[in-house]
Amino acid sequence: SAVISQKPSRDICQRGTSLTIQCQVDSQVTMMFWYRQQPGQSLTLIATANQGSEATYESGFVIDKFPISRPNLTFSTLTVSNMSPEDSSIYLCSVVEGRPGYTFGSGTRLTVV
Amino acid sequence: EDQVTQSPEALRLQEGESSSLNCSYTVSGLRGLFWYRQDPGKGPEFLFTLYSAGEEKEKERLKATLTKKESFLHITAPKPEDSATYLCAVQAVFRSGGGADGLTFGKGTHLIIQP
Repeated sequence: SAVISQKPSRDICQRGTSLTIQCQVDSQVTMMFWYRQQPGQSLTLIATANQGSEATYESGFVIDKFPISRPNLTFSTLTVSNMSPEDSSIYLCSVVEGRPGYTFGSGTRLTVV
Repeated sequence: EDQVTQSPEALRLQEGESSSLNCSYTVSGLRGLFWYRQDPGKGPEFLFTLYSAGEEKEKERLKATLTKKESFLHITAPKPEDSATYLCAVQAVFRSGGGADGLTFGKGTHLIIQP
């Protein structure tokens, strides 16, 4: 299965600033996904990113807040913009390679102060 | 709207004490049900995918089963290294809005195996 590297692994940011999270995959994949895992909550899908097209956002998530880039088949970035303490979460990148299914990166733990 | 409910939220067992974790789901049409293990500070690690009612899969001390409404993760004679949060997720045939291929997760069961 694919190996996913996420950077940074953790960060502490000031409110009002932005953070860009990188996701690098060791093989070419069509679909990449970004999830958020808030404390005590389930993983929630933010958006689906396909190379060469605009990301598809889930209800409750907007491009201005979470812009995503997908320049090629092995790389994607998620930016968390104008951060507030409510954005403190773990952000996870995921890819799918047919069956059996989805592989996840180790996540980025973000704390906004 | 797709929903996944896991129970119990937390479970503490003695080493060797077998038990089951439950995942109840409602989905417009099931493409697949996934079980993951998540250790602190790490991303979810894939365990199983189940596609149709009656299907079962096993891996070491773990066995996953699927019905039309729920899935069970049976843990037989667990060891302390089985301590983790176990996540259940579904992939629906149809999703209203958003992308068609993402997963809907439950909150997980935090399992502790005491030696």
